[in-house]
Amino acid sequence: DGGITQSPKYLFRKEGQNVTLSCEQNLNHDAMYWYRQDPGQGLRLIYYSQIVNDFQKGDIAEGYSVSREKKESFPLTVTSAQKNPTAFYLCASSMGLAGGNEQFFGPGTRLTVL
Amino acid sequence: GQQLNQSPQSMFIQEGEDVSMNCTSSSIFNTWLWYKQDPGEGPVLLIALYKAGELTSNGRLTAQFGITRKDSFLNISASIPSDVGIYFCAGLLHYGGATNKLIFGTGTLLAVQP
Repeated sequence: DGGITQSPKYLFRKEGQNVTLSCEQNLNHDAMYWYRQDPGQGLRLIYYSQIVNDFQKGDIAEGYSVSREKKESFPLTVTSAQKNPTAFYLCASSMGLAGGNEQFFGPGTRLTVL
Repeated sequence: GQQLNQSPQSMFIQEGEDVSMNCTSSSIFNTWLWYKQDPGEGPVLLIALYKAGELTSNGRLTAQFGITRKDSFLNISASIPSDVGIYFCAGLLHYGGATNKLIFGTGTLLAVQP
């Protein structure tokens, strides 16, 4: 089945620790995105990548880092510098440069900082 | 970050009723997307609109791309309990070149009473 997977579904972290969220897609999409969603709010863009080995900051990149070493993978690291990391994190992908603007989302990872 | 004005914020209706929600912006978009999100899951794409004035249906759902390119609406006819969820609009902002950015609405929470 083609799609986007995120793992884990639930993640707990102690304050001061870095944590990495996984996002994998087998849709052969060029572009991948990370969003943050807080309760009762819309989606805010953290980072995006239009092509392998390239990524750009979104609206709320502070305290986060990403890498794009492979087309199918776009991991997000939530660092200890992120002041309020508890949130629902969503990964998405789109055809990007190849055409097609629709973004397709993974199931999300809920991160809770204890 | 920029967000679209989406209304209403929430709707509580009886099964069988029709529903209408809309998004407006001061910016011009060249694509409008409508998503549905179930609790704890990622958004699922419902309808994509590409041309001003375009009217597109997907089963009981109908969406339109406003003539001014600054708004869009989504109608759901004959609602059923499984329509419950949060509906998001998203507009594609073209920055030039290959860089596009999706701007999301704040969401409409739909509750359907059997």
